[in-house]
Amino acid sequence: DAGVTQSPTHLIKTRGQQVTLRCSPKSGHDTVSWYQQALGQGPQFIFQYYEEEERQRGNFPDRFSGHQFPNYSSELNVNALLLGDSALYLCASSRPPGGGNTIYFGEGSWLTVV
Amino acid sequence: AQKITQTQPGMFVQEKEAVTLDCTYDTSDPSYGLFWYKQPSSGEMIFLIYQGSYDQQNATEGRYSLNFQKARKSANLVISASQLGDSAMYFCAMRETLSGGYNKLIFGAGTRLAVHP
Repeated sequence: DAGVTQSPTHLIKTRGQQVTLRCSPKSGHDTVSWYQQALGQGPQFIFQYYEEEERQRGNFPDRFSGHQFPNYSSELNVNALLLGDSALYLCASSRPPGGGNTIYFGEGSWLTVV
Repeated sequence: AQKITQTQPGMFVQEKEAVTLDCTYDTSDPSYGLFWYKQPSSGEMIFLIYQGSYDQQNATEGRYSLNFQKARKSANLVISASQLGDSAMYFCAMRETLSGGYNKLIFGAGTRLAVHP
């Protein structure tokens, strides 16, 4: 049973560029959430996708956008990258979206903006 | 606002000893869930244990147990018989229910555990 998978694992981008991160949820999960974890801090909620729509959003600018596909996989896009966007980006999958104790994370994507 | 507090930036424990990692939470919702995750240096957030607010008994998962004291709003993680592989960052998190029935996790700042041989 595959867990949550994310790609790429590591990437380096230049300020002003755009980046796309990808996530495949755990088998049987249909809800995907994205979190940003800056160095030395706990993860912060970016947004949550369910049935291919953004359902909830944290305190992140519109430069952060996402998408969920019919197979429940998801993408996180960040435009006009800033140095402060350097962080570990974690994808979490769950089912159902409203509760339960089945929230699993992937290994994350380490983004460095230079 | 809902909040998770982990007051121990770092903890040390001798191999094979037990250790308690503290977590306090603040919420006005009667229904909530509390999670503990382990994060090794690789970055993956590994699920350890879950406690629901209505669960009558403290959760246990192998060497992990959760000391849930609802009146004190604390959910401490107890790791028994520590192993060298337990050295990692540990995060306490609370599930916050949002509008429409959706949810997000609110994390504490984490506690770095070092297990010494």
